[in-house]
Amino acid sequence: KQEVTQIPAALSVPEGENLVLNCSFTDSAIYNLQWFRQDPGKGLTSLLLIQSSQREQTSGRLNASLDKSSGRSTLYIAASQPGDSATYLCAVAVGDSNYQLIWGAGTKLIIKP
Amino acid sequence: ETGVTQTPRHLVMGMTNKKSLKCEQHLGHNAMYWYKQSAKKPLELMFVYNFKEQTENNSVPSRFSPECPNSSHLFLHLHTLQPEDSALYLCASSQDYQAANSPLHFGNGTRLTVT
Repeated sequence: KQEVTQIPAALSVPEGENLVLNCSFTDSAIYNLQWFRQDPGKGLTSLLLIQSSQREQTSGRLNASLDKSSGRSTLYIAASQPGDSATYLCAVAVGDSNYQLIWGAGTKLIIKP
Repeated sequence: ETGVTQTPRHLVMGMTNKKSLKCEQHLGHNAMYWYKQSAKKPLELMFVYNFKEQTENNSVPSRFSPECPNSSHLFLHLHTLQPEDSALYLCASSQDYQAANSPLHFGNGTRLTVT
């Protein structure tokens, strides 16, 4: 059974620092991995989607990597800003004929001005 | 108006009340989803509709009753809820159901409190 873990559950860093968020999964048979952002009391916004055949995806100051063999993905945020404060969730797409998303519980990120 | 819209944003109801959550998507998507998000827990998929037909019901208690009158609208009817049902209920849509390249678009959710 696929399980997705995000550690730590919360992270606080000073503004301007580069940081890495972690996501691990137990079964390497995935279609893709997605990173989402959730602001307090809001829905989720898709940030990056990495296909199983890809190693990384970049969007602005964000870079997501995928290592299927080790069951790990990282989300790198460069030059962090207070506006980056949010909860970041990862989800892996799994299944044979029935594709579904398995979610992590998220990492709550606080960027201190 | 674009995207996925959910109403109401907040709802407080007693255990004997009946209420409904509404979701509307303006993206022309074919699949719509209800998720439950409880504090510090992964999202839980509740129901999926594809072309207005229910395709998944993940062992959700019968006190939650979904309705999808057309591909743009999704409702979640609530009755005789329990305090543990208090959570953020998120609606999402995607162009295609179970398509690995069809990303989810979420609404802002309804914060439900059951007293």
